[in-house]
Formats: sequence, C-alpha cells, structure tokens
Amino acid sequence: AQSVSQHNHHVILSEAASLELGCNYSYGGTVNLFWYVQYPGQHLQLLLKYFSGDPLVKGIKGFEAEFIKSKFSFNLRKPSVQWSDTAEYFCAVSRHQAGTALIFGKGTTLSVSS
Amino acid sequence: EPEVTQTPSHQVTQMGQEVILRCVPISNHLYFYWYRQILGQKVEFLVSFYNNEISEKSEIFDDQFSVERPDGSNFTLKIRSTKLEDSAMYFCASSDAGDQPQHFGDGTRLSIL
Repeated sequence: AQSVSQHNHHVILSEAASLELGCNYSYGGTVNLFWYVQYPGQHLQLLLKYFSGDPLVKGIKGFEAEFIKSKFSFNLRKPSVQWSDTAEYFCAVSRHQAGTALIFGKGTTLSVSS
Repeated sequence: EPEVTQTPSHQVTQMGQEVILRCVPISNHLYFYWYRQILGQKVEFLVSFYNNEISEKSEIFDDQFSVERPDGSNFTLKIRSTKLEDSAMYFCASSDAGDQPQHFGDGTRLSIL
C-alpha cells in the first residue's frame, strides 16, 4: 500500500528565511507526486506536480520541489518565504494512472512571522 | 478559474440519520472523488467515480456510504445511519482525463451529534 510521510508537523520561520519541507513516500511502482497548500479558510490548492521528466519542478508562488527517486523523496523548497505563505502544506502521491486516489501525508503547518 | 463547489458548507445531523453531501465538479472533468479529513488527522481517500461507476474505493468506504451522479452536474455522497466518528470535513474533487491534477472544493464540515 502507498503511504506518505511528512517529517515536520509545524515549522516556524521569519520572513525571508529559506524553507524546505520533507516528504517521503512508499510505493513500488511509478508514481505521480504533488504538493497542495491550504490557506486558512480556503480549499486545497495545487502548488506543483511531478508526473515525469525533469525531477526539479517549479510551481506557483516561487515554490519548487525535487523528486529523488532513489530516496523516494519529493521535498518542497522556497528560497525566501513571505508572511502570506502561512498555510498548511500537504504532500500527496498517486499511482501513475488517470483517476486514481491521492494518498496524503499528515500535513505541515507553516507559520511565517513578519 | 472554474471551481468545484460543495454544499452545504456545514451540516449538523443527529446520530443515526442519513446525510447527503453535494458537489458540483468542474464541468468538463471526467473523474470525481470524495475525501474526508477527521479533525487533526490526514486527508483520507474515500472513493473515485468514472463513467457512472465507482472506479476505486478505500476500506473506509463501506456499505454505509454510497455515491451518485444523479444528473449531468451533481455528484453526491450519501452516508446512511451516521455515527459520531463520521464527523469530519468532506472534500469533493474532480479531474480531467490523463495526467491532470485533482481540483478540490471548499469542503463540507459534517458534525454528528
């Protein structure tokens, strides 16, 4: 069965600090990988996705993630966070097939102080 | 940008009653999903639906649950004989064909008393 681990439950940063959120998954086959963000009071929004090709993917709002197949990891990074990045971040994985379930990690709450 | 819409935003129901949660997926999408998030826990997959039938379901999605696409726009989740542990946020999502990401609605907070 697939599973996703997010290493950090709550991360607190000051504005302009760099961010890296860890995500590891467990699955033996080919996967699609995602990071979703949930701002307070809003729905889950896609930050970025990896299906194939270049393992370094760039998403919205300056976020990027690197897929390292040998480590089963898909860590999220941003060089300089802003107060508006305060949100909950979810890593998710699905089988490399249309219409399949997303398996989510427990989420990481990011709090950015100005 | 097209959105997935869910109604109601909050549903309060007595234990043992039936509840129907409603979703309007993005109009040209083909795959529909329900997820739930119990307070303090991770988002969990319940069921996916394609071509008018269930394509995948989790262990959570037992006989208490059912899904339906009653017309060309709505996608519903019915929970029969609700239990206290059904209290959660329920998210609907939809996706297009191929390698397209799922788009989520705002969720319905279900409170069972």
